[in-house]
Amino acid sequence: EVQLLESGGGLVQPGGSLRLSCAASGFTFSSYAMSWVRQAPGKGLEWVSAISGSGGSTYYADSVKGRFTISRDNSKNTLYLQMNSLRAEDTAVYYCAKEGKQLHYMDVWGKGTTVTVSS
Amino acid sequence: EIVLTQSPGTLSLSPGERATLSCRASQSVSSSYLAWYQQKPGQAPRLLIYGASSRATGIPDRFSGSGSGTDFTLTISRLEPEDFAVYYCQQYGSSPRHTFGPGTKVDIK
Repeated sequence: EVQLLESGGGLVQPGGSLRLSCAASGFTFSSYAMSWVRQAPGKGLEWVSAISGSGGSTYYADSVKGRFTISRDNSKNTLYLQMNSLRAEDTAVYYCAKEGKQLHYMDVWGKGTTVTVSS
Repeated sequence: EIVLTQSPGTLSLSPGERATLSCRASQSVSSSYLAWYQQKPGQAPRLLIYGASSRATGIPDRFSGSGSGTDFTLTISRLEPEDFAVYYCQQYGSSPRHTFGPGTKVDIK
């Protein structure tokens, strides 16, 4: 069964850092691009970042560029999101998602991990 | 940057009725890169439609997608109780890589 499981969320003060992880199973992890998508409380979906299957290409939303870093360890089937200089507006549920090979829809999603930025 | 607009914001219907949801792009989108997702409260989104009109694995045939260019539609032919949820359209592009619409909530009338 194809599965994604996020972890690492929690409460952090403004200006702080957090690293999210997403453990993948049931598919050839290194063959697929992966994305992080977040959802602020009561709001819609916002794409945050993506990384190619090899890890050689990374992409960011303007709202997180320069503060967040996406990476992956294909030997561990794990995706990461390093979040620095966190702001209150980064408070959200963070989902990792597997992208389709050519059409880049997000066909598998994790259950999400909650990040709260507050003093 | 492509902006997606969804209408209506909320659709109030009864089980058994037909639901028609619209997604409009600020500039032309390749049909190959237009997808629809369903999200229920407290759950992750679920892929319904990709490539504008292809149903994802396990999606019932009462869900269908259509459209091209800047106008896309998700149709639910006969609403089942489990279909009351929020629906998002999404496009894949160059910058930003992905864009979501604001969502349409389908609730029970």
